[in-house]
Amino acid sequence: QKEVEQNSGPLSVPEGAIASLNCTYSDRGSQSFFWYRQYSGKSPELIMFIYSNGDKEDGRFTAQLNKASQYVSLLIRDSQPSDSATYLCAVTVNRDDKIIFGKGTRLHILP
Amino acid sequence: ETGVTQSPTHLIKTRGQQVTLRCSSQSGHNTVSWYQQALGQGPQFIFQYYREEENGRGNFPPRFSGLQFPNYSSELNVNALELDDSALYLCASSLGQGYTDTQYFGPGTRLTVL
Repeated sequence: QKEVEQNSGPLSVPEGAIASLNCTYSDRGSQSFFWYRQYSGKSPELIMFIYSNGDKEDGRFTAQLNKASQYVSLLIRDSQPSDSATYLCAVTVNRDDKIIFGKGTRLHILP
Repeated sequence: ETGVTQSPTHLIKTRGQQVTLRCSSQSGHNTVSWYQQALGQGPQFIFQYYREEENGRGNFPPRFSGLQFPNYSSELNVNALELDDSALYLCASSLGQGYTDTQYFGPGTRLTVL
């Protein structure tokens, strides 16, 4: 069974600090990796995607991918209370014909 | 707002019944994916349609079926409802097949099976 694992949290981070969210996946053939944010009672929205090993930065967000370790992470710099949400990691499998989401990590930014 | 709409917002059915959920994609998008999200869980991929053809399917039984219409609106049909089918059903539209183009999610339909 191909899986995507995330710590469910909650992860509590002081305002202004760096929040680090982690995700591991089991399918070595996975090619595309996504981070979604889901506020309570709302639908997921895409924050970032990454396809290649290394770092990808977009504003306060940095996605990191290590295919050898089957590990993808999301860093949020200068965390704001509005970043409090559930963060979902998603990975494509089977040459991109399926996508698997993790259960999500609840992030709480402490004012 | 993503421009993706779903109807109905909420629905209550009894075990054994059939249900049809509807999704209207964002303008210009020819791909739609459907997901089931149980409380406290991540979305589970049901299937994807690209230009009216199924383009990938998750681990859901055949009683979950779908359609995509020429105007790229879509339906999810679930037959012989079970209690475990109670969940939020999300559709997401995107420009191209697969997942390299950004998926835009609708607000979801909350299905309760009694």
